[in-house]
Amino acid sequence: LAKTTQPISMDSYEGQEVNITCSHNNIATNDYITWYQQFPSQGPRFIIQGYKTKVTNEVASLFIPADRKSSTLSLPRVSLSDTAVYYCLVARNTGNQFYFGTGTSLTVIP
Amino acid sequence: ETGVTQSPTHLIKTRGQQVTLRCSSQSGHNTVSWYQQALGQGPQFIFQYYREEENGRGNFPPRFSGLQFPNYSSELNVNALELDDSALYLCASSLSGTLTDTQYFGPGTRLTVL
Repeated sequence: LAKTTQPISMDSYEGQEVNITCSHNNIATNDYITWYQQFPSQGPRFIIQGYKTKVTNEVASLFIPADRKSSTLSLPRVSLSDTAVYYCLVARNTGNQFYFGTGTSLTVIP
Repeated sequence: ETGVTQSPTHLIKTRGQQVTLRCSSQSGHNTVSWYQQALGQGPQFIFQYYREEENGRGNFPPRFSGLQFPNYSSELNVNALELDDSALYLCASSLSGTLTDTQYFGPGTRLTVL
């Protein structure tokens, strides 16, 4: 079982950078980490995925330290439309399992 | 829009009944995963189907079962419904059974068990 833990909620002002951390202390060697965004009454939407070090795409960056026991999603210059719940997901190769975190509700304030 | 559709949108059942939820995957995808999301919680993995075979299963009892059809659409069946089965049921399709494939989620089916 890959237990994943996140802060319950965060507030940020528009235009600021937001960092959301997920703890996954018992991550296994072949596990991958993915982050999703979810709006009310919708399914989660893919943001970014990584295995180690740093990954960047057009909307976010993902930082994974060498021990891989945590990961940090970084959203640059958030806007009001970034208000949502953010989940980390650990995908486990052994037995093909998927473990979502507890979710972080981000509120962006004008 | 992900191209993943689910039906019905909402459903109300009583305890002990059986329910079937349906999912149409995105074009070209051969893998479907099902999740249960209780109110205020993260999605919990139920199982995954790859090319019509179960490819992984989470910690759910056998009364949760599934099917995947030759066109890669899928069904989730839940027997002997319990009050705690009330949740949003999400399906997600992906290109193949590879662990790193992006999962594209549908909007979900909201099941209420009375």
